[in-house]
Amino acid sequence: GIQVEQSPPDLILQEGANSTLRCNFSDSVNNLQWFHQNPWGQLINLFYIPSGTKQNGRLSATTVATERYSLLYISSSQTTDSGVYFCAVGHQAGTALIFGKGTTLSVSS
Amino acid sequence: DAGVTQSPTHLIKTRGQHVTLRCSPISGHKSVSWYQQVLGQGPQFIFQYYEKEERGRGNFPDRFSARQFPNYSSELNVNALLLGDSALYLCASSPWTGSFEQYFGPGTRLTVT
Repeated sequence: GIQVEQSPPDLILQEGANSTLRCNFSDSVNNLQWFHQNPWGQLINLFYIPSGTKQNGRLSATTVATERYSLLYISSSQTTDSGVYFCAVGHQAGTALIFGKGTTLSVSS
Repeated sequence: DAGVTQSPTHLIKTRGQHVTLRCSPISGHKSVSWYQQVLGQGPQFIFQYYEKEERGRGNFPDRFSARQFPNYSSELNVNALLLGDSALYLCASSPWTGSFEQYFGPGTRLTVT
């Protein structure tokens, strides 16, 4: 099955810093999503981005499907950005998501 | 608009017991999926349903079963609970037609003692 690797596993930042999270996947995908999991366990949708580039406020994401990776950019980080960020992919449209192990982000003031 | 809802929020069961978890998808979504997340790991796929039919099953034992109802809500059943079944159980819904983006509910935290 598809393998999903996220890096780095842990990231510690000062408020205001920028960061880049990476997601590598081992096969072609038709679905790729980025999530932020808050301390209560809720998975919050950040981007649905099987290919291309999207931006939403301080966050942006790029997926290069031909090279099998996706990047999540967080600019001017805030303490509320802390939590675990997951990348999840689907091998075929409509199939289940395969999650990476996540990147744990800690932002201090 | 209401998001995906799950019940109960928390549950404590004893080894060997049975549990039923419930999920209501976003209005208009016809696909529901279930995931198990143990502490420190990413969610793992258990089942996917679309239009009341099973469309996918993950690598879980037969003690796990699910179904989808005509109103597209879903139940996840786990029999003969083991300590290792303690986890956060997440339900996700997707419109399926037009988009396969999945939206997750708040989860049910199951503790097996």
